[in-house]
Amino acid sequence: DSGVTQTPKHLITATGQRVTLRCSPRSGDLSVYWYQQSLDQGLQFLIQYYNGEERAKGNILERFSAQQFPDLHSELNLSSLELGDSALYFCASSVLGSSYEQYFGPGTRLTVT
Amino acid sequence: AQSVTQPDIHITVSEGASLELRCNYSYGATPYLFWYVQSPGQGLQLLLKYFSGDTLVQGIKGFEAEFKRSQSSFNLRKPSVHWSDAAEYFCAVGNNDMRFGAGTRLTVKP
Repeated sequence: DSGVTQTPKHLITATGQRVTLRCSPRSGDLSVYWYQQSLDQGLQFLIQYYNGEERAKGNILERFSAQQFPDLHSELNLSSLELGDSALYFCASSVLGSSYEQYFGPGTRLTVT
Repeated sequence: AQSVTQPDIHITVSEGASLELRCNYSYGATPYLFWYVQSPGQGLQLLLKYFSGDTLVQGIKGFEAEFKRSQSSFNLRKPSVHWSDAAEYFCAVGNNDMRFGAGTRLTVKP
């Protein structure tokens, strides 16, 4: 158990809908990272927040957004969902603003039908 | 731009045999390098990391990796593989925007 929690574990929704994925980092970690893992794209970095502020951005679509709250938990919002958004979404956390050691949560499996 | 290449998509080894998983990276500066393991349906677990110093790093579960700057490589090794090592292994490089390789799936034959 990494200490990073993600909810929900599974999510099934229809095209065009909007969902919110939640992540709680390990106690004491200030950075949260979001990743998408799919069969065709592999594991892709989406976005990083450090202590409430966006720190780095990867291959995140404009339909996707994220934020980190004062209690350091983070949410990833996915809107206007398409079939191709079906994937595993991982959250990771680390102590510092730089990646150093990232600890991954168990992931949220999103299925868009 | 930084990138990671894992040349082997799938490797099969016999239990008790040695293992080497290859990783080549491209990075503008001294890289931070990582190896992660992912069991089916699970998140990624950090095996080991290299930031600086000794180029041979030890990790958990009996794994080690060697950083070779001249070859831009960071290969993962284990002297004797156990059936429980069957999983997907990812090499990663970077800092804030970490880049992962495509992964190598390890199958262990009894």
